[in-house]
Amino acid sequence: EAQVTQNPRYLITVTGKKLTVTCSQNMNHEYMSWYRQDPGLGLRQIYYSMNVEVTDKGDVPEGYKVSRKEKRNFPLILESPSPNQTSLYFCASSSHQAGVREKLFFGSGTQLSVL
Amino acid sequence: AQKITQTQPGMFVQEKEAVTLDCTYDTSDQSYGLFWYKQPSSGEMIFLIYQGSYDEQNATEGRYSLNFQKARKSANLVISASQLGDSAMYFCAMRPSNTGNQFYFGTGTSLTVIP
Repeated sequence: EAQVTQNPRYLITVTGKKLTVTCSQNMNHEYMSWYRQDPGLGLRQIYYSMNVEVTDKGDVPEGYKVSRKEKRNFPLILESPSPNQTSLYFCASSSHQAGVREKLFFGSGTQLSVL
Repeated sequence: AQKITQTQPGMFVQEKEAVTLDCTYDTSDQSYGLFWYKQPSSGEMIFLIYQGSYDEQNATEGRYSLNFQKARKSANLVISASQLGDSAMYFCAMRPSNTGNQFYFGTGTSLTVIP
């Protein structure tokens, strides 16, 4: 089954404790991206990757890191989480094959709470 | 600048009635894709419908149709015969061709279907 697998689904942590949210897709997609969703603000892009070893900042990259060492994986790292990073996070992927027609596939989301 | 605007934070509709969710976009690209996603209370993002900028016909998928008015840069989602299960957050998104196939999201509209 074609899917984006994101883990964990829920995460509660404390300020300053490094954490990683994993994301993996099995569709050989070139494009992967991380979003955070906050009430009233919609989805805001954190980082994206056009292909292996190619990453770039989105609209809200501060406090986050990513890497794309393999095509299927795109982990999101919070080196020193703070309470303002409490949010719902989504990983997503898409292909470039058919250009603008290709839709975005989403993971199931990670609800992060930083105390 | 690429931008998606959803001006209706919340909408109510009577069961079995039709409802229109507004979406306007701004892009200088000639080729772009427009998407609608549904997010029920369980949190996952569900793809609903796609419209290409060069498509002459308005897209339809079951009870969903997209009222595409290119000159006005609007891509409104029409849900016919609303059901209780349609209660959810709805996001409009755009994928322009000249931005590395990036995706841009609106802030969403929360739809509540009243029995």
